[in-house]
Amino acid sequence: DIQMTQSPSSLSASVGDRVTITCRASQSISSYLNWYQQKPGKAPKFLIYAGSSLQSGVPSRFSGSGSGTDFTLTISSLQPEDFATYYCQQSYNTPYTFGQGTKLEIK
Amino acid sequence: QVQLVESGGGLVKPGGSLRLSCAASGFTFSDYYMSWFRQAPGKGLEWLSYISSSGSTKYYADAVKGRFTISRDNARNSLYLQMNSLRAEDTAVYYCARGVTVTRLGDYWGQGTLVTVSS
Repeated sequence: DIQMTQSPSSLSASVGDRVTITCRASQSISSYLNWYQQKPGKAPKFLIYAGSSLQSGVPSRFSGSGSGTDFTLTISSLQPEDFATYYCQQSYNTPYTFGQGTKLEIK
Repeated sequence: QVQLVESGGGLVKPGGSLRLSCAASGFTFSDYYMSWFRQAPGKGLEWLSYISSSGSTKYYADAVKGRFTISRDNARNSLYLQMNSLRAEDTAVYYCARGVTVTRLGDYWGQGTLVTVSS
């Protein structure tokens, strides 16, 4: 199975900050990398697919980059509604594994 | 708008069975892949299974292979997960999700249904 490792596991930031979350795959996954946002008690929300393609309706302050084994999710200017947990997921092959999550908290 | 509503969760004893359903609306169900995911209490997300739009192709995570069966009824716009030989470690919120392609399996998710396996 492909192991996905996110860093950091948690992050404190302020409204307006630029934040970056990293996801590393245990082997090359080309660009088959998705990002999700999850708020407490809610279902995940699909943010980015194929490493850098923004899902329809997702604000442009979210962006993704990377290919191969190293990927990043960047939020250019944090908004109050962005405080949540973020997960990366590889869709290169089954089982479609997730990172352990990055909890983004208000500083 | 796209809506996915899971049902069928509840409390079941170890070794027991449960069948989850996911009712879809707001899109042409038969055009899309569908998946099941789960999230144990306080833990991360786990992909369990997907089924192709026609139902001809199915994949499972090793953790559930041989115990869980995914199926769909395109005439009823419904997705199912038959869960047998349930274990305590299967306790989780189970989500169904729509997939545009096999590499984009979670563009819309249901609200989830809680399955608790306990004696």
